[in-house]
Amino acid sequence: EVQLVESGGVVVQPGGSLRLSCAASGFTFDDYTMHWVRQAPGKGLEWVSLISWDGGSTYYADSVKGRFTISRDNSKNSLYLQMNSLRTEDTALYYCAKQGKIGEFSYWGQGTLVTVSS
Amino acid sequence: QAVLTQPSSLSASPGASASLTCTLRSGINVGTYRIYWYQQKPGSPPQYLLRYKSDSDKQQGSGVPSRFSGSKDASANAGILLISGLQSEDEADYYCMIWHSSASGVVFGGGTKLTVL
Repeated sequence: EVQLVESGGVVVQPGGSLRLSCAASGFTFDDYTMHWVRQAPGKGLEWVSLISWDGGSTYYADSVKGRFTISRDNSKNSLYLQMNSLRTEDTALYYCAKQGKIGEFSYWGQGTLVTVSS
Repeated sequence: QAVLTQPSSLSASPGASASLTCTLRSGINVGTYRIYWYQQKPGSPPQYLLRYKSDSDKQQGSGVPSRFSGSKDASANAGILLISGLQSEDEADYYCMIWHSSASGVVFGGGTKLTVL
């Protein structure tokens, strides 16, 4: 059974930093591209970033480019999101998602809540 | 103007059909895109429903009932999620998604809240 478990969400002050983690199991992690998607309270989904199976390619939404860094450790079946220079508008539930073979987001974690507030 | 525009809400009766639209921004041709649809119920992550580009290029998510189907309205430059035989359990938020080169990745629509009453 595929499982994605996010962690690391906390309350942080504006300008602060945070690293989110996503522990994957139930599939061959290093075969798949992975994503982070966020959802502000009461709002819609916003794609944040993706990383290819080997970490060789990464892409970011304009809203986080230059502030967030996605990475992965295939030996630990883990996905990460380093978040720097946090803003109040980064407050959201952050999901990690596994990309399927036809480009769909086939599995999602339950999310970890990041609150940026003074 | 947003890349993908969805109506914020839609209401329909049990047993009826609901057509949820996802309109692509002018200059982005719906015919060239695979449109992905997701369902999200309160307190849960989104779930993949289906992908649709054409009748010969479509894919139903695993376990997704055939009551959910995709189509396009080229004249409106829109993708459509059609839900037939509406049930109370279909009440949820629905999001469309595309892979868009200018975004260097993925774009989601703003979502439609479907109420079944």
